[in-house]
Amino acid sequence: DVKVTQSSRYLVKRTGEKVFLECVQDMDHENMFWYRQDPGLGLRLIYFSYDVKMKEKGDIPEGYSVSREKKERFSLILESASTNQTSMYLCASSSRGSSYEQYFGPGTRLTVT
Amino acid sequence: GIQVEQSPPDLILQEGANSTLRCNFSDSVNNLQWFHQNPWGQLINLFYIPSGTKQNGRLSATTVATERYSLLYISSSQTTDSGVYFCAVDLRGGGNKLTFGTGTQLKVEL
Repeated sequence: DVKVTQSSRYLVKRTGEKVFLECVQDMDHENMFWYRQDPGLGLRLIYFSYDVKMKEKGDIPEGYSVSREKKERFSLILESASTNQTSMYLCASSSRGSSYEQYFGPGTRLTVT
Repeated sequence: GIQVEQSPPDLILQEGANSTLRCNFSDSVNNLQWFHQNPWGQLINLFYIPSGTKQNGRLSATTVATERYSLLYISSSQTTDSGVYFCAVDLRGGGNKLTFGTGTQLKVEL
């Protein structure tokens, strides 16, 4: 079974803090993604990566950065957390083979106060 | 960008009833997935179905790519089927980035 894990289920941070959200997948997938989910706005793509040390902006990259130093790990970084970044963050991975099926982690519910 | 519309937005069923959820999309796609989001927020993969028909137990899905829609059928619904169902598509040439529909909120009552 594909397994995507995220470092925390719930996280509370203060405005201005630097926040790291970690995602690890165990299926040797090339592609990894970060989405956020907000009521009324659905799921939106923040950043994605097709390979180690590669990253591309998604639809809403402002206020975020990412790091992919190892194939299995993709980190989302909030350089200076703000209250409008309170959200559910979901990580996903997929292979570059014949199937592009994406698999999601359990999510991190981040609250910035 | 690609538009993904799901209907109905909300659905209430009695246990044992059948239902059909619809997903319309505005462009050619490489990939179409159906997910169930449980009350804890986890997205559970139901189907990877860019075209054709698949079945898994009480659930089945059909995608007609040429007409740009997909259907998710739930038969003999159970209370554990409650939650939000999402359709997501990956635009052809779009690099495996999923665009999600707004979801169908399903509640199954005893």
